[in-house]
Amino acid sequence: DAGVIQSPRHEVTEMGQEVTLRCKPISGHNSLFWYRQTMMRGLELLIYFNNNVPIDDSGMPEDRFSAKMPNASFSTLKIQPSEPRDSAVYFCASSYGNQPQHFGDGTRLSIL
Amino acid sequence: AQRVTQPEKLLSVFKGAPVELKCNYSYSGSPELFWYVQYSRQRLQLLLRHISRESIKGFTADLNKGETSFHLKKPFAQEEDSAMYYCALKADYKLSFGAGTTVTVRA
Repeated sequence: DAGVIQSPRHEVTEMGQEVTLRCKPISGHNSLFWYRQTMMRGLELLIYFNNNVPIDDSGMPEDRFSAKMPNASFSTLKIQPSEPRDSAVYFCASSYGNQPQHFGDGTRLSIL
Repeated sequence: AQRVTQPEKLLSVFKGAPVELKCNYSYSGSPELFWYVQYSRQRLQLLLRHISRESIKGFTADLNKGETSFHLKKPFAQEEDSAMYYCALKADYKLSFGAGTTVTVRA
């Protein structure tokens, strides 16, 4: 089991550019979560999908952020346009039913 | 709304000494609590789940509903325990994390 797979591991881009983060959950898991980790705010839940359907996107900071889950094995988090304050580590996690969440390695995003 | 508090941002102990990481929570329902560990620049890994009542890597944590606490303890710290530790509370599907405690174990 490769666990939750995220790509890219690192992304450096200039402000105003579109950024797309990718996540492949553990096979068989039916819940997927996107988190953002910053020094100031710690770990925050951005959005939660269950069976590919967005259930709670109240943590998405603003309209520049969007997330999709077109199928059970893939999700994207997109930022357009990106801003320096979006710099953070973005984690994807997945789980099955009531079992604990398993996290990916994260994407370290730097917006210049 | 649920809330998790980890009062210590940094904790430094000597190898072989006991270590205790504090976690307090507020939640009106029946809580499900976890400890996650994050080694340097790695993914968060589940360390303990309160309903399992098990010891992982020598760590234990007991849920105290009266004090609304879920402190993490290890009697003899090892250098490989140096990491960031997060206490988390699960309410429905949502995991709420504390701010985290960075533990440094000195030789």
